[in-house]
Amino acid sequence: SQQGEEDPQALSIQEGENATMNCSYKTSINNLQWYRQNSGRGLVHLILIRSNEREKHSGRLRVTLDTSKKSSSLLITASRAADTASYFCATDPAQGGSEKLVFGKGTKLTVNP
Amino acid sequence: DGGITQSPKYLFRKEGQNVTLSCEQNLNHDAMYWYRQDPGQGLRLIYYSQIVNDFQKGDIAEGYSVSREKKESFPLTVTSAQKNPTAFYLCASSIARGPYEQYFGPGTRLTVT
Repeated sequence: SQQGEEDPQALSIQEGENATMNCSYKTSINNLQWYRQNSGRGLVHLILIRSNEREKHSGRLRVTLDTSKKSSSLLITASRAADTASYFCATDPAQGGSEKLVFGKGTKLTVNP
Repeated sequence: DGGITQSPKYLFRKEGQNVTLSCEQNLNHDAMYWYRQDPGQGLRLIYYSQIVNDFQKGDIAEGYSVSREKKESFPLTVTSAQKNPTAFYLCASSIARGPYEQYFGPGTRLTVT
């Protein structure tokens, strides 16, 4: 069953603008990961944030995690046309064996030149 | 080059035929995964393996089978029992069992008519 749910489902912005995507989940987690997928390709790992962390940065990416609200956000600053892709959050549920990730349905981001 | 490969990229089969999708990694990872992705959807876990000669069913294992005879290889067979096999199939690996970053292959698009 899918635990993470991204919002919005689709986002269209102009180059240079910031893009914010959100992920909500239902049960406690050990960590949360964000992945990117270009059309027709495999997923690429972007960033992992642990449950005891509140914010992480990687280049133009900023991820926040609010465990009290069971939500995370991914911010891409100064977006480029090359950022056009689908973005997925994946959670590692704390209950049960920590053996697999549960992926959301993704946010499709379009950055217009 | 280290990485994970899937072949072929596109596969066409007639209904009622079994088909095997290849997945190979040279990352020396213990854990490997198979996901199915349908249009506009997230990833659903079919099977995963934490170690050679051992694998577990994921959320949608019915109609699929796997083997893990070598650390590097985790082939997926889509059997004629799978009612709706047309989909994009992604293989992934991670260093070990647990909430680690997953590395994805480029995917195989299977079309069954």
